[in-house]
Amino acid sequence: AQSVTQLGSHVSVSEGALVLLRCNYSSSVPPYLFWYVQYPNQGLQLLLKYTSAATLVKGINGFEAEFKKSETSFHLTKPSAHMSDAAEYFCAVKTRGSTLGRLYFGRGTQLTVWP
Amino acid sequence: GAGVSQSPSNKVTEKGKDVELRCDPISGHTALYWYRQSLGQGLEFLIYFQGNSAPDKSGLPSDRFSAERTGGSVSTLTIQRTQQEDSAVYLCASSSVGAFAGELFFGEGSRLTVL
Repeated sequence: AQSVTQLGSHVSVSEGALVLLRCNYSSSVPPYLFWYVQYPNQGLQLLLKYTSAATLVKGINGFEAEFKKSETSFHLTKPSAHMSDAAEYFCAVKTRGSTLGRLYFGRGTQLTVWP
Repeated sequence: GAGVSQSPSNKVTEKGKDVELRCDPISGHTALYWYRQSLGQGLEFLIYFQGNSAPDKSGLPSDRFSAERTGGSVSTLTIQRTQQEDSAVYLCASSSVGAFAGELFFGEGSRLTVL
């Protein structure tokens, strides 16, 4: 089965600082990779996804993630944090070649942005 | 509606009672998922429906949990003889078949509190 690890359940940054949220997957075959964001009292929404094209993926709200096969990583970054970025972020994986089926989610990272 | 709709948004029940949680997916989406979100536990997969295929029930934590999907659309998650450890947010998601299947669209969840 797929698994995904998010290092750090809580990350705090100052407004304007770099955001780095870490995600590592375990799979012999690179899976499909996703980052979802959950704002307070809301459902999850897709930030970005990696399927098989460019390894640097750009998403909404200025976020991007880079797929690194050698490191089995898919870390999420944003150059300059904004107060509105405060939310919980989930990394997820899905088996490549399967058009359907479940996503395996990490435990989430709560991002706090200080003024 | 345009998005995934879940009801009730909040449910408080007494230990031992049965509860039903409803999910109305996005029209035309053939895949439907139930996840459970507990504090500090991330998203736990419960069950997955795809069209007329047998559902993947591998994530249901006990036989007190069951789910059905009628007419390939609305789904109901039933928890019998609720326990305090069942307290969580139950999230429903749907997705369409296609090259980028795996992009799940989530509802806002049903928060269950078992007293």
